[in-house]
Amino acid sequence: NAGVTQTPKFRVLKTGQSMTLLCAQDMNHEYMYWYRQDPGMGLRLIHYSVGEGTTAKGEVPDGYNVSRLKKQNFLLGLESAAPSQTSVYFCASRAGGHILEYSNQPQHFGDGTRLSIL
Amino acid sequence: GIQVEQSPPDLILQEGANSTLRCNFSDSVNNLQWFHQNPWGQLINLFYIPSGTKQNGRLSATTVATERYSLLYISSSQTTDSGVYFCAVQLLFGNEKLTFGTGTRLTIIP
Repeated sequence: NAGVTQTPKFRVLKTGQSMTLLCAQDMNHEYMYWYRQDPGMGLRLIHYSVGEGTTAKGEVPDGYNVSRLKKQNFLLGLESAAPSQTSVYFCASRAGGHILEYSNQPQHFGDGTRLSIL
Repeated sequence: GIQVEQSPPDLILQEGANSTLRCNFSDSVNNLQWFHQNPWGQLINLFYIPSGTKQNGRLSATTVATERYSLLYISSSQTTDSGVYFCAVQLLFGNEKLTFGTGTRLTIIP
């Protein structure tokens, strides 16, 4: 029962390099999210997706791009990494259909990717 | 945006003690989750509790949505309970953002 799987788990980059973080979920969830967690803080939303082929900006989207080409995958890209992007990145997913639904569903999180930019 | 405040910020207890963690939020929500972040950084989903009371073993949670607070109870604490406990909420009819509190750091001493 994999749930939400993030790859890689750790990565060290040099300033200016690019990379892609992969998130995969096997629960057939419509919604997927990317968060970052900085030391001593809670998580902040970077981008999210409400379904295959859709993406939307969250709270801290600058410097990141995302794609949701397949329902089960949500990719987070850093085109030109900066030291300020050193953080732990978490992916999450949740079930849900209509965007205006009243009742909500819990978000399920992956184990995180620890990214250091030198 | 919605404000989420957790108290206390730090808590140190002897093994076997009970504790109550509080989460106050500033607006109506349709999602409230409690998480435990263990020393390895993993976020463990404890409860999905936008209202009412739930229990899971030594842990229980209560959310009073009309008064905009939630409580997490931990009984008979064990050293494995150490870590940071986060409350996170999502606005009713708001955007998709799950807003996290700053957490309560719990340390259980053997």
